[in-house]
Amino acid sequence: GEDVEQSLFLSVREGDSSVINCTYTDSSSTYLYWYKQEPGAGLQLLTYIFSNMDMKQDQRLTVLLNKKDKHLSLRIADTQTGDSAIYFCAESIYSSASKIIFGSGTRLSIRP
Amino acid sequence: NAGVTQTPKFQVLKTGQSMTLQCAQDMNHNSMYWYRQDPGMGLRLIYYSASEGTTDKGEVPNGYNVSRLNKREFSLRLESAAPSQTSVYFCASRAEGREQYFGPGTRLTVT
Repeated sequence: GEDVEQSLFLSVREGDSSVINCTYTDSSSTYLYWYKQEPGAGLQLLTYIFSNMDMKQDQRLTVLLNKKDKHLSLRIADTQTGDSAIYFCAESIYSSASKIIFGSGTRLSIRP
Repeated sequence: NAGVTQTPKFQVLKTGQSMTLQCAQDMNHNSMYWYRQDPGMGLRLIYYSASEGTTDKGEVPNGYNVSRLNKREFSLRLESAAPSQTSVYFCASRAEGREQYFGPGTRLTVT
């Protein structure tokens, strides 16, 4: 079946790197996404990776994809207080062109 | 270019009342979606519409109906609201094979 799993919480010290992990089950994923949700707001796309890529870097963000293990990670370098949010991993399913499956979200909190 | 808009932003209903949540997008996207978000449960897909004139059930469709009025608009209707439908509702749209764009959400409380 289709499932995306994430741990619920992550706490890091300001200035350290944050690594948020995600596992998925559908091997026919086309795109994998990371969304950010700040309190009281909708979801905003942070970055995405096509399923034939291993890595994508965008300023402080690095996405790593291990297709064999169906594992996706988001690394945020030099974590700042403004990075406090819930981060959602999502996959686009090839078998259903319109469907995107979301994980339950990881709440990132920053310690001073 | 407003992206995805939703109305209302907040709503309080009594059990058994009905209401329609409105969603519109101005990006000419084919696909539109309704999700609900509950604490610790992430986003759950209620219904989606792959194109104008088509709708499909998602993960949690019971108690809801949808209408894809035209390419721009996708509404969600609660015919007889229940406390279990207290949630934050998000509408989203998507171009083929691309990322989803989300609206700001509607916070619904059913008492």
